[in-house]
Amino acid sequence: AQSVTQPDIHITVSEGASLELRCNYSYGATPYLFWYVQSPGQGLQLLLKYFSGDTLVQGIKGFEAEFKRSQSSFNLRKPSVHWSDAAEYFCAVGARRDDKIIFGKGTRLHILP
Amino acid sequence: DAGVTQSPTHLIKTRGQQVTLRCSPKSGHDTVSWYQQALGQGPQFIFQYYEEEERQRGNFPDRFSGHQFPNYSSELNVNALLLGDSALYLCASSARDRGFGYTFGSGTRLTVV
Repeated sequence: AQSVTQPDIHITVSEGASLELRCNYSYGATPYLFWYVQSPGQGLQLLLKYFSGDTLVQGIKGFEAEFKRSQSSFNLRKPSVHWSDAAEYFCAVGARRDDKIIFGKGTRLHILP
Repeated sequence: DAGVTQSPTHLIKTRGQQVTLRCSPKSGHDTVSWYQQALGQGPQFIFQYYEEEERQRGNFPDRFSGHQFPNYSSELNVNALLLGDSALYLCASSARDRGFGYTFGSGTRLTVV
């Protein structure tokens, strides 16, 4: 069964600084990988997804993620964060198309002015 | 183009009662999945409906049941409510066999007292 680990519960960065949120997954084959963002009291918004091909994936809001099979990782990055990026970020994995997706416990991002 | 619509947005129920939550999928989507998100946790998969049948189910008791209607909308029913059922319930829709991407609604916040 697939699983996702987000090792950092909270991350604090200064506005304008770079960001990297970590995600490790467990799955035997090549998984479907996702990053979602959730603002307080809101649903989940898809930032980006990876199925196959280029291991560096570009998403919305200036985010990108890199799939590294050897490390079973799919870390999310942004070169310069904005105060509006403060939110909860979830990494998720699916085994195949139309399959359920399994979420990590999330990383809360705080932005210092 | 309306996204995923969930109703109600909030409700309060008493232990032992039953509750029904509703979801209208995004236009063009035919598959509906339900997730439970407890406070401070990632979403947990409850079940998925396609062609009016339950296709996949997560590790939830039989008190949790669902239905999908011919217009693809869906209901989540929870019987014999427990305090631990208090959570944000998220509905996600997708278009089966036509790309992969879940669109989430803003959720229903259920409080059991």
